[in-house]
Amino acid sequence: DIQMTQSPSSVSASIGDRVTISCRASQDIRNSLAWYQQKPGQAPNLLIYYASTLQSGVPSRFSGSGYGTDFTLTISSLQPEDFATYYCQQAHTFSLTFGGGTKVEIK
Amino acid sequence: QVQLVESGGGMVQPGRSLRLSCAASGFTFSNFGMHWVRQAPGKGLEWVAFVSYDARVEHYADSVKGRFAISRDGFNNMVHLQMNSLRPEDTAVYYCARIRDSYGYNWFGSWGQGTRVTVFS
Repeated sequence: DIQMTQSPSSVSASIGDRVTISCRASQDIRNSLAWYQQKPGQAPNLLIYYASTLQSGVPSRFSGSGYGTDFTLTISSLQPEDFATYYCQQAHTFSLTFGGGTKVEIK
Repeated sequence: QVQLVESGGGMVQPGRSLRLSCAASGFTFSNFGMHWVRQAPGKGLEWVAFVSYDARVEHYADSVKGRFAISRDGFNNMVHLQMNSLRPEDTAVYYCARIRDSYGYNWFGSWGQGTRVTVFS
């Protein structure tokens, strides 16, 4: 199975900060990567797919980049509604796998 | 509007069985692959099982292979997860999820609200 490693596991940030989350795949997955946001008590929500394509309705302050094994999710200016846990997921092969998650907390 | 509604969760003892169901509406069900994803209490997301749009292809996580079976009912627009030989480590919220694009990559574009399964001794 392809292992997905996210870092950091948590980050404390203030409103307006730029936040960057990394995700590394254990083998080349090309651009077969998605990012999700999950708030407590809710189902996850797709933010980005194909590593950099923004899902419809997702604010443009979210962006994704990367190819191969190294990927990044960036929130350009953190807003109150962005405090949540973020997961990356590879769709290159079965078994589909998620990163361990990054919790974005209020500083 | 896409809607996925899970049901069938509950509390069971180890070794017993449970069948989860997901009622789908708001889209052409026969065009989309469907998944089950779970989340143990306080933990991250774990993909569980997939069934293709035409029910010809199934995939399972190693942790459930041989114990769980996914199926779909195109007549009633339902997806099921038959869970046998349950273990305490199967305790989780189980989400039904639809791929984003018909016949497309396995991104989870729509999710249900989840159904809770607790396996206790």
